Amino acid sequence: GAVVSQHPSRVICKSGTSVKIECRSLDFQATTMFWYRQFPKQSLMLMATSNEGSKATYEQGVEKDKFLINHASLTLSTLTVTSAHPEDSSFYICSARTSGGLEETQYFGPGTRLLVL
Amino acid sequence: GENVEQHPSTLSVQEGDSAVIKCTYSDSASNYFPWYKQELGKRPQLIIDIRSNVGEKKDQRIAVTLNKTAKHFSLHITETQPEDSAVYFCAASIPVREYGNKLVFGAGTILRVKS
Repeated sequence: GAVVSQHPSRVICKSGTSVKIECRSLDFQATTMFWYRQFPKQSLMLMATSNEGSKATYEQGVEKDKFLINHASLTLSTLTVTSAHPEDSSFYICSARTSGGLEETQYFGPGTRLLVL
Repeated sequence: GENVEQHPSTLSVQEGDSAVIKCTYSDSASNYFPWYKQELGKRPQLIIDIRSNVGEKKDQRIAVTLNKTAKHFSLHITETQPEDSAVYFCAASIPVREYGNKLVFGAGTILRVKS
């Protein structure tokens, strides 16, 4: 149980284009999904938290107009990197939580490696 | 504040020896402390977690201890094996009004088990 998928697994795009990444909880409903960015040999940095049916909550320093998050259903959240630039190249990982309130366990997707040329 | 310190950054042990990784946190409201193992290019995998109402938890060769007074928690791996080699991250929960809580991660520890 508690399987999270992510698509695509890797993407190469030109500078200035937009890239959409999907995160799905396959066998449970996730009211909350998290989006992280991980640079090589570094830790996971939370970018934003996605709540089904409401606006995403962004961490300090993360541009909400650049990283668009949509959580349209209890099993799907999307992250769109708009007008991507080479410095946006990174490993993007989502996680999903089985329920809100006292349940804190997060299960991670396999990640999306983004390379912007 | 939101800060989790993790030490050491790298750890090399001989196969069969024990490995200990330590973390400290700053937010006294933190009450959930998971540990994740991440292999190169893969997703973080939850290996063990502990909540603030207990001081120790064990699962086969892995154990975690928590000292809420001192705000630190540790991961202990006994009888290490080469397949234990990976990056290990600790994390602490931080309450968030809008959605309950979030996790703040430590910087990670590269564990190498030499055979």
